[in-house]
Amino acid sequence: EEQLVESGGGVVRPGGSLRLSCAASGFTFENYGMTWVRQAPGKGLEWVAGINWNGGSPGYADSVKGRFTISRDNAKNSLYLQMNTLRSEDTALYHCHLSTVTSVGVYDVWGQGTMVVVSS
Amino acid sequence: SYELSQPSSVSVSPGQTAIITCSGDILTKKYTRWFQQKPGQAPVVLIYKDTERPSGIPERFSGSSSGATVTLTISGAQVEDEADYYCYTAADNIRVFGTGTKVTVL
Repeated sequence: EEQLVESGGGVVRPGGSLRLSCAASGFTFENYGMTWVRQAPGKGLEWVAGINWNGGSPGYADSVKGRFTISRDNAKNSLYLQMNTLRSEDTALYHCHLSTVTSVGVYDVWGQGTMVVVSS
Repeated sequence: SYELSQPSSVSVSPGQTAIITCSGDILTKKYTRWFQQKPGQAPVVLIYKDTERPSGIPERFSGSSSGATVTLTISGAQVEDEADYYCYTAADNIRVFGTGTKVTVL
């Protein structure tokens, strides 16, 4: 069974840094682009960043551009999100997400998320 | 950046039809997916490529597209369909979710 398990969340002061990790299992991780999606408490889903199968073409939401960096290690079946210069508005549940359309349908996998709280 | 606009809420009586729209200029060029999210749960994809339904998704969920607007229709809404619904699209290396619609079935 496909699984994505996030870790690395926690409480951090404004201006601080955190590195989130996502461990993938049950599928061939290196075949797929991956994304990070966040959801602030009581708010909607927000795409944060994405990366293609080989680590190229990273893309970022305007709200995090220049502060967050997405990366991956296919040998470790892992996805990462380095978050710097954190702000209170970055407080959210961060999900690892795979969503792609294939020849036989849609392949969509979500992790349960890791919580990030930015507070003084 | 791209934006996808949805109504904030839709109310429907059980057995009636709920219609949720999603509008954005990018939709004239890119396909859309629809996600359903219930409280405390990860989202589930209901529709992809504007109109396709994954296996296991009830037939009462359908999607359509016209110009810069895509629509999710719940025909014969059930109490268990009460949830938040999001449209989603991908363009180059950017992804975007719609603003979300809370569907109330009562």
